[in-house]
Amino acid sequence: EAQVTQNPRYLITVTGKKLTVTCSQNMNHEYMSWYRQDPGLGLRQIYYSMNVEVTDKGDVPEGYKVSRKEKRNFPLILESPSPNQTSLYFCASSLSVSGGRYEQFFGPGTRLTVL
Amino acid sequence: QKEVEQDPGPLSVPEGAIVSLNCTYSNSAFQYFMWYRQYSRKGPELLMYTYSSGNKEDGRFTAQVDKSSKYISLFIRDSQPSDSATYLCAMSALGNTDKLIFGTGTRLQVFP
Repeated sequence: EAQVTQNPRYLITVTGKKLTVTCSQNMNHEYMSWYRQDPGLGLRQIYYSMNVEVTDKGDVPEGYKVSRKEKRNFPLILESPSPNQTSLYFCASSLSVSGGRYEQFFGPGTRLTVL
Repeated sequence: QKEVEQDPGPLSVPEGAIVSLNCTYSNSAFQYFMWYRQYSRKGPELLMYTYSSGNKEDGRFTAQVDKSSKYISLFIRDSQPSDSATYLCAMSALGNTDKLIFGTGTRLQVFP
């Protein structure tokens, strides 16, 4: 089944304790992205990757890191989480197409609480 | 001012009603317009996709784009309780199609 998977789905942690949220897709997509979703603010892009070893900042990258060493995986790293990073996080992937139709497939989400 | 504005709702309608969901935007470079549906505790999934202006119909769903007014709409005919979800509009510009700008979403509830 074509899908984007994220782990963990739920995480409660404390300020300053490094964590990683994994994302994996099995559709051979070049493009992968991380979003956070907050009430009243909608989905905002954190980082994205056009292909292996190519990553770039989105709209709200502060406090986050990413890496893209393999095509299928795009982990999100919070080196020193803070309470304002409490949010619902989504990973997404798509075929990177210049023009034409494309679709971003989203993972099921990771609900992170930082105390 | 946000690039994309969307009324958060909630919108509550009886089964069988016609539902109209709307977004306005400020960036005239947007050329690709999408509607995503997000069920509770799930990720968004693409519902409709439109390039530039015009209408697109898919079953009970119709997407409209009016670029002159910078306004897009999603109509749902014969709404069903299973349509209860949050609907997110999203847009991207020519030459930057991977960069989606989302509205905040409208929560829709269809009651039997």
